[in-house]
Amino acid sequence: DAGITQSPRYKITETGRQVTLMCHQTWSHSYMFWYRQDLGHGLRLIYYSAAADITDKGEVPDGYVVSRSKTENFPLTLESATRSQTSVYFCASSEFSTLSYEQYFGPGTRLTVT
Amino acid sequence: ELKVEQNPLFLSMQEGKNYTIYCNYSTTSDRLYWYRQDPGKSLESLFVLLSNGAVKQEGRLMASLDTKARLSTLHITAAVHDLSATYFCAPRIDSGGSNYKLTFGKGTLLTVNP
Repeated sequence: DAGITQSPRYKITETGRQVTLMCHQTWSHSYMFWYRQDLGHGLRLIYYSAAADITDKGEVPDGYVVSRSKTENFPLTLESATRSQTSVYFCASSEFSTLSYEQYFGPGTRLTVT
Repeated sequence: ELKVEQNPLFLSMQEGKNYTIYCNYSTTSDRLYWYRQDPGKSLESLFVLLSNGAVKQEGRLMASLDTKARLSTLHITAAVHDLSATYFCAPRIDSGGSNYKLTFGKGTLLTVNP
């Protein structure tokens, strides 16, 4: 299906484990973003990518790793999960060439670290 | 660093009433986005405000942008229950080169009561 998808939608993991959240978009958008949403903080940018093989840190990058070998995929890895990383994670994409530069969001992944 | 303040953070209103949500931001931004989020759902784009003085309306919602005052407003006219949601504003900054990031406010939780 066209659009932006995230998997898994729900994940429970233990402290110290590695977890990878997947994001896939079918629009061939140049830009992709990872946010986390926590009560009282709104959305905070973790990492973003302007194109394949180009990534940059956002506001809260510590403890996360990203890669982007293909335009359509932007996985987010928690190398050693901590309880403070319990959150809802949203992936978004945006097209560089459109005037509005609107970001389109995926459905989210709810991650619980025990 | 761009700071974004939304007021109020919580808004309970009666059906049929009018109200305004305010979004103030601290540094220069060339455009601003408003998003809506229903409980447990993803973010949905409402408005893209591209220049100073821009005004956009959709149904009972009207958004405006004053880049000189670094202020955007979201006005609700004759509220109905279906408007109950969390509303986020997100000014866009140029983070260097061709990279653009959105900085989200903490959101305004709107509850419309019968």
